Amino acid sequence: SAVISQKPSRDICQRGTSLTIQCQVDSQVTMMFWYRQQPGQSLTLIATANQGSEATYESGFVIDKFPISRPNLTFSTLTVSNMSPEDSSIYLCSVNREPYGYTFGSGTRLTVV
Amino acid sequence: RKEVEQDPGPFNVPEGATVAFNCTYSNSASQSFFWYRQDCRKEPKLLMSVYSSGNEDGRFTAQLNRASQYISLLIRDSKLSDSATYLCVVTSSGNTPLVFGKGTRLSVIA
Repeated sequence: SAVISQKPSRDICQRGTSLTIQCQVDSQVTMMFWYRQQPGQSLTLIATANQGSEATYESGFVIDKFPISRPNLTFSTLTVSNMSPEDSSIYLCSVNREPYGYTFGSGTRLTVV
Repeated sequence: RKEVEQDPGPFNVPEGATVAFNCTYSNSASQSFFWYRQDCRKEPKLLMSVYSSGNEDGRFTAQLNRASQYISLLIRDSKLSDSATYLCVVTSSGNTPLVFGKGTRLSVIA
């Protein structure tokens, strides 16, 4: 499958701080997707990141809270800003690349205290 | 109404049992359909794609009914290692994001 390196794998953060999550793909992809998985829930799309343009955010997610960078076709970052305990979740990046289909990074488990 | 709805589960079955999961989707423009498996504290991994003609991969059989907007997954001869959460997933075209159901947890018991 497509190799996606995601880090950090986990972090415990103080409320009010920010955390930046990185995803590196082993080849060029047009789009990268960022998801959130809250405890006991399924995956919810946060935004779609295209290289060279602003990310497209889903309803309920805003750029000020979840700024995304996509500096090239193999890399993206998601920042969780001004964190509160409600932001405690697993955050995952994903790409769609033939012939592997949609694959995911290993996830970032975030706990906000 | 949620875009993708699944049996709530959990399903607790003995080894060797046959278990079926059902899923419905609301977007008639959906084009691609998948079952993903997610182990505890791990990322989802593709189990199998689902085709209109139905498809089988070993002990796993997936079916799609476009008219009813219904997807199913059948697992035969359950193994302990099948214990996981099974996610029904759809997407509308080649490079659009996946839409996930809430998942159904399966526990296979010795």
